[in-house]
Amino acid sequence: DAGVIQSPRHEVTEMGQEVTLRCKPISGHNSLFWYRQTMMRGLELLIYFNNNVPIDDSGMPEDRFSAKMPNASFSTLKIQPSEPRDSAVYFCASSRQTNNEQFFGPGTRLTVL
Amino acid sequence: RKEVEQDPGPFNVPEGATVAFNCTYSNSASQSFFWYRQDCRKEPKLLMSVYSSGNEDGRFTAQLNRASQYISLLIRDSKLSDSATYLCVVNTDNTGKLIFGQGTTLQVKP
Repeated sequence: DAGVIQSPRHEVTEMGQEVTLRCKPISGHNSLFWYRQTMMRGLELLIYFNNNVPIDDSGMPEDRFSAKMPNASFSTLKIQPSEPRDSAVYFCASSRQTNNEQFFGPGTRLTVL
Repeated sequence: RKEVEQDPGPFNVPEGATVAFNCTYSNSASQSFFWYRQDCRKEPKLLMSVYSSGNEDGRFTAQLNRASQYISLLIRDSKLSDSATYLCVVNTDNTGKLIFGQGTTLQVKP
């Protein structure tokens, strides 16, 4: 079975540009999570969805960040405009139910110049 | 104070050694606990859940001490392949919101 799929795997962009990260959760999983990982702050939960509905977005750093889940098999995390401090690895994870084991995708390594 | 604290290490041990990691959490109402493993430039993967009674999976033993609010992971007979970062993870309210520690890096040397 395919795991969580993320694209792109690497993204290099310039400050001010819009960045869109994509995630396809494991089929049949009802919960989807977006994380950001940096050396300084470790792994932080940004937002999570249950049955395509955002449940907790308290980790979203500011209004420049937005996330959507239009259907059970696709989610996006958008940063507009991007800033150098947004450089990090962004992971998407999914689980069968909210409280079950989370399976992580391979991550998107974002560099904002 | 961070919600989940770990010694970042690195722990450098020879093959065959026994090594233990501890982790403390600040929220006494925390419900569930896990250890995740993350290899360099890879995604985190669940290593094991941590139960109140303690649990063992092969060479790995996890313990929970609710009174002192700490979790431990013991690795016996270390292998080179155990080299990774071990993340202590806490779920404070049985929702999906996992709180990750910064991780403890283990290097097992031949």
